[in-house]
Amino acid sequence: DADVTQTPRNRITKTGKRIMLECSQTKGHDRMYWYRQDPGLGLRLIYYSFDVKDINKGEISDGYSVSRQAQAKFSLSLESAIPNQTALYFCATSDSRVANTGELFFGEGSRLTVL
Amino acid sequence: RKEVEQDPGPFNVPEGATVAFNCTYSNSASQSFFWYRQDCRKEPKLLMSVYSSGNEDGRFTAQLNRASQYISLLIRDSKLSDSATYLCVANNAGNMLTFGGGTRLMVKP
Repeated sequence: DADVTQTPRNRITKTGKRIMLECSQTKGHDRMYWYRQDPGLGLRLIYYSFDVKDINKGEISDGYSVSRQAQAKFSLSLESAIPNQTALYFCATSDSRVANTGELFFGEGSRLTVL
Repeated sequence: RKEVEQDPGPFNVPEGATVAFNCTYSNSASQSFFWYRQDCRKEPKLLMSVYSSGNEDGRFTAQLNRASQYISLLIRDSKLSDSATYLCVANNAGNMLTFGGGTRLMVKP
C-alpha cells in the first residue's frame, strides 16, 4: 500500500461543481502539501500545512481551499471548479525533523478534468 | 521569468551515451538544490541532492555553480530505464521547494 494515498485518482466534472480531493498518509510526517502540475509549468504549490490547524497559501491558492483535519489528512477543495483548473494534482509530505533534505514524498496524483 | 528554468527537451540519446542537463535559478537566496525524477504518469521521486562540491551517485553526477546560478545533472552510460522527466528543484528560505518545468529524456536502443 502507498504511504501517501490520494482519492479520487481520476475525476471528470463540470464547471461550477464543488470538488474535494483527499490525501492521507501513514508516514507520520507533520508537513503536507498540495501541488498542481501542468505541462511545461512544473509543479506549483497551492497550499501547505506544517501541522494540524496550520494552513499557508502557496504560489497559486486562488480558487482553492484546504483543510488539515488531522496530522495524517489534508484535503483540497475547489469550491466552484473552472476549466483552467484541469490539471494533475499531487499531495506530498515531509518530515520537519529531517531539515533541508529536500525530500518530499508524493502521492500517485489525482487527475482532474473540468468541462 | 520562472524562478527555476530548464530546457524541456526531449533529449533523445542512444543507450550508452552520456547526457547532461542544466538548470538555472533566479533566486540567489536559494540554499540547497535537488534533482527529482518523474516517470510518465507517475509521481516525482527524489533522485539526488546537489552539493557545492559536486556529488556522484553511481552513473549520476550533480554539480552546482553558485556564481552562475546553475545546476547540472550528468548521466553516464545511459540505460533505457533512465527515460523519464528530470525536475530541478531549489530550496529557498523557509524550506520551501520550487520546481522547474522538467527536462524529458528518452534513451533509445
